[in-house]
Amino acid sequence: DTGVSQDPRHKITKRGQNVTFRCDPISEHNRLYWYRQTLGQGPEFLTYFQNEAQLEKSRLLSDRFSAERPKGSFSTLEIQRTEQGDSAMYLCASGPRDYNSPLHFGNGTRLTVT
Amino acid sequence: AQSVSQHNHHVILSEAASLELGCNYSYGGTVNLFWYVQYPGQHLQLLLKYFSGDPLVKGIKGFEAEFIKSKFSFNLRKPSVQWSDTAEYFCAVSPGSGNTGKLIFGQGTTLQVKP
Repeated sequence: DTGVSQDPRHKITKRGQNVTFRCDPISEHNRLYWYRQTLGQGPEFLTYFQNEAQLEKSRLLSDRFSAERPKGSFSTLEIQRTEQGDSAMYLCASGPRDYNSPLHFGNGTRLTVT
Repeated sequence: AQSVSQHNHHVILSEAASLELGCNYSYGGTVNLFWYVQYPGQHLQLLLKYFSGDPLVKGIKGFEAEFIKSKFSFNLRKPSVQWSDTAEYFCAVSPGSGNTGKLIFGQGTTLQVKP
């Protein structure tokens, strides 16, 4: 178990720029989730993949946000035309086929929009 | 809508004190319940989980939690905390039916244990 890996750990960008984050789940896990966490709050669900299929998206995920998992392995989360309100920690989690198995979380990507 | 409420935002205890963190959820159906912990600078880790059976579940590091269905609660307890328990604690719920494994988190409780 090499854990869930996220890259980069930190990203500072100017308002209006596009950013892309990557998540590498645990290799045998077919479920992958993205969450957003702001200071003093718990993680908020953004989107869920089962293999390469995006099965659920939160209303929090505006048109500026898009996520992909093209081969059912790694995933990317892109934010276009970033806004200061996008500043947060973006967490990725993965889980095995058994839905009763707990999720494993990565260390997150901290985004700061200036 | 499903939601999770954690009553205490910031708790300060001395070592050896007992701990109880409250968690209530709002969901009418079957649920799976979790407590996750996030130590400073580390990723979220599972402390314990409840799916069915004995409502008193034991987790790692001496933590336990009790599911009280009638109160929609899943409170976390530890009889004697240590300085190393300083961390942020999150209660989470996942619907048991139509389960996608999606977790809904509470806002978290920051625990500070003084040596």
